[in-house]
Amino acid sequence: ETGVTQSPTHLIKTRGQQVTLRCSSQSGHNTVSWYQQALGQGPQFIFQYYREEENGRGNFPPRFSGLQFPNYSSELNVNALELDDSALYLCASSQGANEKLFFGSGTQLSVL
Amino acid sequence: EDQVTQSPEALRLQEGESSSLNCSYTVSGLRGLFWYRQDPGKGPEFLFTLYSAGEEKEKERLKATLTKKESFLHITAPKPEDSATYLCAPILTGGGNKLTFGTGTQLKVEL
Repeated sequence: ETGVTQSPTHLIKTRGQQVTLRCSSQSGHNTVSWYQQALGQGPQFIFQYYREEENGRGNFPPRFSGLQFPNYSSELNVNALELDDSALYLCASSQGANEKLFFGSGTQLSVL
Repeated sequence: EDQVTQSPEALRLQEGESSSLNCSYTVSGLRGLFWYRQDPGKGPEFLFTLYSAGEEKEKERLKATLTKKESFLHITAPKPEDSATYLCAPILTGGGNKLTFGTGTQLKVEL
């Protein structure tokens, strides 16, 4: 059984640039959630996708957007990067919207 | 606004020294609670789901308990490999996977 995989593992960008992070969900899981984790903090919910539709969003501006594909993999896009966007971005998949989450190892994004 | 508070923020134990971590919350529509463990540079790893006040779950040296206002993670005779950050997140009615995590308790177990 393949777990949740994320790419890339590390990324360095400059302020104002755009970034795309990718996630492959665990086999059999149809729901993907994205979280942002700043240093020393707990993960913060960005949004959730269920069957290719956004199904819940946290307090993040519209420059954070996402996609889910028919194979349930997902992308997180962030436009106009700001210094405060530097964080660990976590993808989690589950068998439904109210089930336990299985997390990937994350993408560490640094914005300079 | 939903609030989740974990204490202590950091805990240093000697191997074999038992202790408890606390997760308290002020939320609407509590349906249950998750506990996760997170190692440095990794994503959180699922430990337990608790649904009912009074429920207990055990896994190796860990035992989680739940009341209406808080949850405890008891660590009995810890080993160095138990060193990690422990996160809790209430499960809310209609909340889907929009979890509000606490800031975690960073546990260090020394020989």
